[in-house]
Amino acid sequence: SQTIHQWPATLVQPVGSPLSLECTVEGTSNPNLYWYRQAAGRGLQLLFYSVGIGQISSEVPQNLSASRPQDRQFILSSKKLLLSDSGFYLCAWRAGRGNTEAFFGQGTRLTVV
Amino acid sequence: DAKTTQPNSMESNEEEPVHLPCNHSTISGTDYIHWYRQLPSQGPEYVIHGLTSNVNNRMASLAIAEDRKSSTLILHRATLRDAAVYYCILSPRFGNEKLTFGTGTRLTIIP
Repeated sequence: SQTIHQWPATLVQPVGSPLSLECTVEGTSNPNLYWYRQAAGRGLQLLFYSVGIGQISSEVPQNLSASRPQDRQFILSSKKLLLSDSGFYLCAWRAGRGNTEAFFGQGTRLTVV
Repeated sequence: DAKTTQPNSMESNEEEPVHLPCNHSTISGTDYIHWYRQLPSQGPEYVIHGLTSNVNNRMASLAIAEDRKSSTLILHRATLRDAAVYYCILSPRFGNEKLTFGTGTRLTIIP
């Protein structure tokens, strides 16, 4: 069966420090991969999505970047965190488009101090 | 991208049916209608999806209007564990693969 791993679960980082969040998927190949951010009490904001290795689509220009070095690995990074980067970060995968469902990781709660 | 509109919040009594509406007046003929729900401090989970016909599964039912410009998620007998934010989204069959969520409906279940 397919599983998605996302870590760490919680993270407290100072302003100006770098960030690296990793997401891996098991049990499937060539998944579509997604990074979302959810500010406190708000909806899900799509940050990046990827349909293959090295292919990244950015939805919101900001202080973050994403990479997909391997088929089932998706990394969210920042060189210098801002206070506004605080939030709940979620990784998701789906097998295709249309009628395929998405599966989400458990999320990383990032607090920038 | 086609958008969806949902009420910000709804309340329902425990053990009663709940009807969560969603408007998607700009839906294209090949867009699937998906519903997800998000429990507190968790990632969203898939609930149900459909294209034209009404759909039933163990979690819920999805009623799709004949013109497909609206849909309703039906929870047949709400429990306290159904308290969550429910998202209605459109998933194109063709085109790009992005999956965009709105702000959803926060469902409160009253004991």
